[in-house]
Amino acid sequence: DAGITQSPRHKVTETGTPVTLRCHQTENHRYMYWYRQDPGHGLRLIHYSYGVKDTDKGEVSDGYSVSRSKTEDFLLTLESATSSQTSVYFCAISESFLEGRYINEQFFGPGTRLTVL
Amino acid sequence: AQTVTQSQPEMSVQEAETVTLSCTYDTSENNYYLFWYKQPPSRQMILVIRQEAYKQQNATENRFSVNFQKAAKSFSLKISDSQLGDTAMYFCAFTGESGSARQLTFGSGTQLTVLP
Repeated sequence: DAGITQSPRHKVTETGTPVTLRCHQTENHRYMYWYRQDPGHGLRLIHYSYGVKDTDKGEVSDGYSVSRSKTEDFLLTLESATSSQTSVYFCAISESFLEGRYINEQFFGPGTRLTVL
Repeated sequence: AQTVTQSQPEMSVQEAETVTLSCTYDTSENNYYLFWYKQPPSRQMILVIRQEAYKQQNATENRFSVNFQKAAKSFSLKISDSQLGDTAMYFCAFTGESGSARQLTFGSGTQLTVLP
């Protein structure tokens, strides 16, 4: 299994409070991703990173920010949590080449269940 | 933009039988990659199988195989000799080769239940 951990694994917070989720990898992979999973929607990309201090927005980035100050850590911050951000959050990493071609095979962390009351 | 559609929200199969999960996608790219991920009740996302669009041959991993129809933009997953441990949510996913297309686009999932 790829070495990916997420912390915390569960969190309950109140509307309006800031929340930071951490993803840590031991694989030295270049690409890191944050997804949210909601019923009926599969996984949707929030933000991703293609290197230290290099990040870009995904499909559902409003209300979220990210930072990557070193290769192994990718932080997701909810500046002021809302009930619509109640979800399961997954981190993923990729650095997969096959026959010289980059194939973006992503490996996922265990997920963080966030509840915003 | 790419889209991935899984039209079967739920399916069930008897243990030891074969089941096929459907997935269709839409893209303007010529080369891309398709994946099936499994999410058991533990919530961990597990890669099941991968298909490169430029390869004609369908991918196979033990009891799991795909039927990839590029012209029809169809990518179904066949599970043979179903086992109780195959009970999970299955997600089809797409990724292109270039730029922002490196993100994975997921379908909404199919909940598969294997019955004893």
